[in-house]
Amino acid sequence: NAGVMQNPRHLVRRRGQEARLRCSPMKGHSHVYWYRQLPEEGLKFMVYLQKENIIDESGMPKERFSAEFPKEGPSILRIQQVVRGDSAAYFCASSPGAANSPLHFGNGTRLTVT
Amino acid sequence: LAKTTQPISMDSYEGQEVNITCSHNNIATNDYITWYQQFPSQGPRFIIQGYKTKVTNEVASLFIPADRKSSTLSLPRVSLSDTAVYYCLVGDIASGGSYIPTFGRGTSLIVHP
Repeated sequence: NAGVMQNPRHLVRRRGQEARLRCSPMKGHSHVYWYRQLPEEGLKFMVYLQKENIIDESGMPKERFSAEFPKEGPSILRIQQVVRGDSAAYFCASSPGAANSPLHFGNGTRLTVT
Repeated sequence: LAKTTQPISMDSYEGQEVNITCSHNNIATNDYITWYQQFPSQGPRFIIQGYKTKVTNEVASLFIPADRKSSTLSLPRVSLSDTAVYYCLVGDIASGGSYIPTFGRGTSLIVHP
């Protein structure tokens, strides 16, 4: 049973380009969370999605950032017109959504904006 | 939303038992207590979860007093590979959109030889 898969593992973008981060949840999981982590800091919640629906995007910047979790395929976190401050590790976690179910995390995408 | 407080850092030596305490004074009736471990350049990994009293698995034990306002993660006989950041979270993921698993700064545990 494969775990949460994130790709790419490392992504380098120049300022102004777009970054697309992919997350395939564990089999049977329909809930996806995206977090951002800066060096020496904890994980900051960005967005919570269920299949085809955004449940909570309160942690995501209003501009340039968007997320989706289509009926088929991985969840995508998209950052348009990246800036240096977007450089961070982005982690995705999935859950079946049942009571007490812990999150299962991928190993993240490390985005570097040059 | 229950807030957690845990020490920023701890040091230990190989073979010792390590106890990390987390305070969660306003924990709700339906909230569970969950601990995660994170190594550098990796995503957090679930360690243990409990609601009350004591829970034990092959990795750790979790002690929760009757009032549930705190919990203690116990790591028996730590090794160098236990050096990591440990996060304590409270909540119930089944609450749906009303609960977002929130990670604080965690406790950075360093195990020395």
